[in-house]
Amino acid sequence: GAVVSQHPSRVICKSGTSVKIECRSLDFQATTMFWYRQFPKKSLMLMATSNEGSKATYEQGVEKDKFLINHASLTLSTLTVTSAHPEDSSFYICSARDLKGYNEQFFGPGTRLTVL
Amino acid sequence: AQSVTQPDIHITVSEGASLELRCNYSYGATPYLFWYVQSPGQGLQLLLKYFSGDTLVQGIKGFEAEFKRSQSSFNLRKPSVHWSDAAEYFCAVGADNTDKLIFGTGTRLQVFP
Repeated sequence: GAVVSQHPSRVICKSGTSVKIECRSLDFQATTMFWYRQFPKKSLMLMATSNEGSKATYEQGVEKDKFLINHASLTLSTLTVTSAHPEDSSFYICSARDLKGYNEQFFGPGTRLTVL
Repeated sequence: AQSVTQPDIHITVSEGASLELRCNYSYGATPYLFWYVQSPGQGLQLLLKYFSGDTLVQGIKGFEAEFKRSQSSFNLRKPSVHWSDAAEYFCAVGADNTDKLIFGTGTRLQVFP
């Protein structure tokens, strides 16, 4: 149980285009999902907290207009990188908190974004 | 503010040797502590967690960790390392008034045959 999927696993796009990454909780409902960014050989940096049916809460320094987050249902959150640039290239990981659980997050496998 | 320190960036051990990965945290109250493992290009898998109770926590894959409040530590141990344990290990702390996890910078474990 407690499986989180991400799609796509890898994406390459041209500079200036937008890319959408999906995060799904497959066997549980998640009122809260989180989006992280991981640079090479670095720790995970929390970008935003996504709550079902409400606006995402962004961490300081994260551009909300650049990284659009939508949490339309209890099993799906999406991250859209708008007008992507090479500096947005990174490994993006989502996690989901079980509705019944407490402060335990289940992580997706990650999405490798490369912007040319 | 909460923080997590993993002092060892890179550790190399021989297969079959014992392992201890260090984690120190900074938090005013009793923290919620986690160890995650990440294989290359993969997401994070939870090894074990501490919320309360017994300070020695058993996890998956033969790992254990001990919460020591006096030392603000939550070190991860394994008595005998396998080659498949080579990965990146992250310690994380969560507060009881927030969903957020604060991660350490990770320790890369390399295992030699």
